[in-house]
Amino acid sequence: QSALTQPRSVSGSPGQSVTISCTGTSSDVGGYNYVSWYQQHPDKAPKLMIYDVSKRPSGVPGRFSGSKSGNSASLTISGLQAEDEADYYCCSYAGSYTYVFGTGTKVTVL
Amino acid sequence: EVQLVESGGGLVQPGRSLRLSCAASGFTFDDYAMHWVRQAPGKGLEWVSGISGNSGNIGYVDSVKGRFTISRDNAKNSLYLQMNSLRAEDTALYYCAKIVGAGGFVDGMDVWGQGTTVTVSS
Repeated sequence: QSALTQPRSVSGSPGQSVTISCTGTSSDVGGYNYVSWYQQHPDKAPKLMIYDVSKRPSGVPGRFSGSKSGNSASLTISGLQAEDEADYYCCSYAGSYTYVFGTGTKVTVL
Repeated sequence: EVQLVESGGGLVQPGRSLRLSCAASGFTFDDYAMHWVRQAPGKGLEWVSGISGNSGNIGYVDSVKGRFTISRDNAKNSLYLQMNSLRAEDTALYYCAKIVGAGGFVDGMDVWGQGTTVTVSS
């Protein structure tokens, strides 16, 4: 149950695109199509942005998209906006009714 | 309005016990798996435990196995986390969260409470 690996930080200017990677193993990310992504602003509860690799919950802007290849998943934010500055966490089902979160990535809007 | 409200946190000495509760409203509680996720001060999210709608499927992170017990009372729309033999490293903000899809276990967590703080210290 080791945490999934994410870059510590990524940054971009408004309007640009940024991609956050999430690397696991064949026992978690690679083994199931159940990767989700969460946005967390300071002192706030996490917010679901993507689930089941690429599904977007109602109310989440279309500029957020998710994908997966092998043991890695990615979250892309297209058309970066100031309010997107936050911490982002990936999460994967890891079998036997367990989950594992990623290490977290701080997104900075320049 | 779908809502989750955690309670039961506090300051506790190492080795002691604490029971967290999560009151749910605004949805058919027994249709949804529920989870506990924690966040240590200044750290990232850590999944702690999850339970299916009918309590038939349960999972724990290795670090709490044998010490924590998740349960639910569907008649009371409530989720619980019994935490025994608490350690300093259990200090965190504990969130309860609801799964997206009814009847599932492995979907994303679409509704979160505001959390309850557990501090383990002598």
